[in-house]
Amino acid sequence: GAGVSQSPSNKVTEKGKDVELRCDPISGHTALYWYRQSLGQGLEFLIYFQGNSAPDKSGLPSDRFSAERTGGSVSTLTIQRTQQEDSAVYLCASSLVGTGNTGELFFGEGSRLTVL
Amino acid sequence: QQQVKQSPQSLIVQKGGISIINCAYENTAFDYFPWYQQFPGKGPALLIAIRPDVSEKKEGRFTISFNKSAKQFSLHIMDSQPGDSATYFCAASSQAGTALIFGKGTTLSVSS
Repeated sequence: GAGVSQSPSNKVTEKGKDVELRCDPISGHTALYWYRQSLGQGLEFLIYFQGNSAPDKSGLPSDRFSAERTGGSVSTLTIQRTQQEDSAVYLCASSLVGTGNTGELFFGEGSRLTVL
Repeated sequence: QQQVKQSPQSLIVQKGGISIINCAYENTAFDYFPWYQQFPGKGPALLIAIRPDVSEKKEGRFTISFNKSAKQFSLHIMDSQPGDSATYFCAASSQAGTALIFGKGTTLSVSS
């Protein structure tokens, strides 16, 4: 497919378990973003990767959250010891250039995480 | 700290009416202001964007009005249609490379 692909589309887990969410950006896009969408909270920025630069992790809510991007392409968002407040839709987006150059963000359809 | 404040949270407009959504920002370094549209079950998609060197940008039925001195910008949807029913997000970023920061969204419902 030509768009941003995220998996799984739905994940139900128990409190305290670790989860991994995957994002396949559009081929050739150098910038990749993770956002979290909760009811009434809009789109909360989590982390931003741009090429080989150090990622902007300023939006990660706690040290239980981490993300990596391998080979400048696929990214994995990991949430350790999940809590009920982590329940949300996690959206990945990619862009041809970094936001500093105001590139359009192309979003995937998200991974819906439910923590019981 | 919420850097982009969006209102109203929800909006109901009759078909053919004008929908207006407002946003205010705090960071004077912001110099790019897009609006994204999101339908249920889908990711947001870019609708229209503006830079502060112009006060208005129009694309079809969608217009952004920008007031730099007031640090406010708004989205106007003319001749609103039921197909415009969606959630709209304003956002802002800067050339300095800050991540795109979104408002909390406005759920628009256009009644037929």
